[in-house]
Amino acid sequence: GEDVEQSLFLSVREGDSSVINCTYTDSSSTYLYWYKQEPGAGLQLLTYIFSNMDMKQDQRLTVLLNKKDKHLSLRIADTQTGDSAIYFCAERRNNDMRFGAGTRLTVKP
Amino acid sequence: KAGVTQTPRYLIKTRGQQVTLSCSPISGHRSVSWYQQTPGQGLQFLFEYFSETQRNKGNFPGRFSGRQFSNSRSEMNVSTLELGDSALYLCASSLVTGSSEAFFGQGTRLTVV
Repeated sequence: GEDVEQSLFLSVREGDSSVINCTYTDSSSTYLYWYKQEPGAGLQLLTYIFSNMDMKQDQRLTVLLNKKDKHLSLRIADTQTGDSAIYFCAERRNNDMRFGAGTRLTVKP
Repeated sequence: KAGVTQTPRYLIKTRGQQVTLSCSPISGHRSVSWYQQTPGQGLQFLFEYFSETQRNKGNFPGRFSGRQFSNSRSEMNVSTLELGDSALYLCASSLVTGSSEAFFGQGTRLTVV
């Protein structure tokens, strides 16, 4: 089973903000990631954050990291229908990455 | 700059056969990792290669093996296929082991019948 946990589903209205949450277990993880997967496709790297940072912003995406609680979140501002996909949180431990089960984001018009 | 290329995209094999999947990383990247994605188990790490050496291995049986060539291209092989090996196999490319950025290919969808 995964050591990285995410809620499985999130539904928002177009134009609203989406917040996808994740908890991880290894405090020694160096990097934490958010990937997006659309149907039939591979994983697209959206953003990542180094473990000694607590926030990173990249256009519509904001990543927040609470290292004490081992909690990571991804906020998507002004969510669009094209943002509908599965979002995976991942932690890098040594030479491998551990993924959550993915959160399916549905954006309703 | 070309992305990560995995071939073939789709494959159908029968139980007991073996299969070889290929991954060409981004030019200049020397680390290649392989993952198996299934609906039941999610994304699971198989192994990582860097400079033609396996650096780390996940919890998979010995039927799963891989190698990396001097041009950083990697292959993974699955012998004596089982129905449960049906999955999307994804390859990730990084500059070096433990790099901040890991880019994935489109994957190879393997179906075992």
